[in-house]
Amino acid sequence: GAGVSQSPSNKVTEKGKDVELRCDPISGHTALYWYRQSLGQGLEFLIYFQGNSAPDKSGLPSDRFSAERTGGSVSTLTIQRTQQEDSAVYLCATKRDRGPDTQYFGPGTRLTVL
Amino acid sequence: GDSVTQMEGPVTLSEEACLTINCTYTATGYPSLFWYVQYPGEGLQLLLKATKADDKGSNKGFEATYRKETTSFHLEKGSVQVSDSAVYFCALSPYSGGGADGLTFGKGTHLIIQP
Repeated sequence: GAGVSQSPSNKVTEKGKDVELRCDPISGHTALYWYRQSLGQGLEFLIYFQGNSAPDKSGLPSDRFSAERTGGSVSTLTIQRTQQEDSAVYLCATKRDRGPDTQYFGPGTRLTVL
Repeated sequence: GDSVTQMEGPVTLSEEACLTINCTYTATGYPSLFWYVQYPGEGLQLLLKATKADDKGSNKGFEATYRKETTSFHLEKGSVQVSDSAVYFCALSPYSGGGADGLTFGKGTHLIIQP
């Protein structure tokens, strides 16, 4: 497709359940980022993938959060044992390569933990 | 660590007024600076960027100049329109030749333009 796509667009889950959020990057973009947007914290960087290198997980808030990127393309962000404070919009962004290029953002997944 | 500070608003202006949204940053090295915009019901999109000191980014009538001496990247527009109503985010990327470069964002400024 022309842009970054994310699914689902909305996810409602119960506290304690696991959720998986998906990101399909722009074709050919080697860099992929996950961010979280919440009312209290604003936009926070979570994790970064560059090609086949080990990801930079420095922004993950706890060990309940993990992410994979298969074949350098699709990425999945997994949140285990969800808590109410995990409620937020999770954004994926991709970029062509290293360097000060533009990051292109997807529409986000709105996660609500009841 | 790196940080970005911007006025949070809401900022309410009349159509055709002048706009300035202040943004200052703290970073090591030589970051790149960005303004992103989020229109109602839409995703984040890049408005403009500057990758080195004294560069001026511009787009859609908006401008911002990378001022290293004052660590600022203020967003300006001479005459705003109702369609400019949105949330504006100042951001920096610490990229300086290698390594991770997740964006650090300010809290966002909600701009409301009244007809």
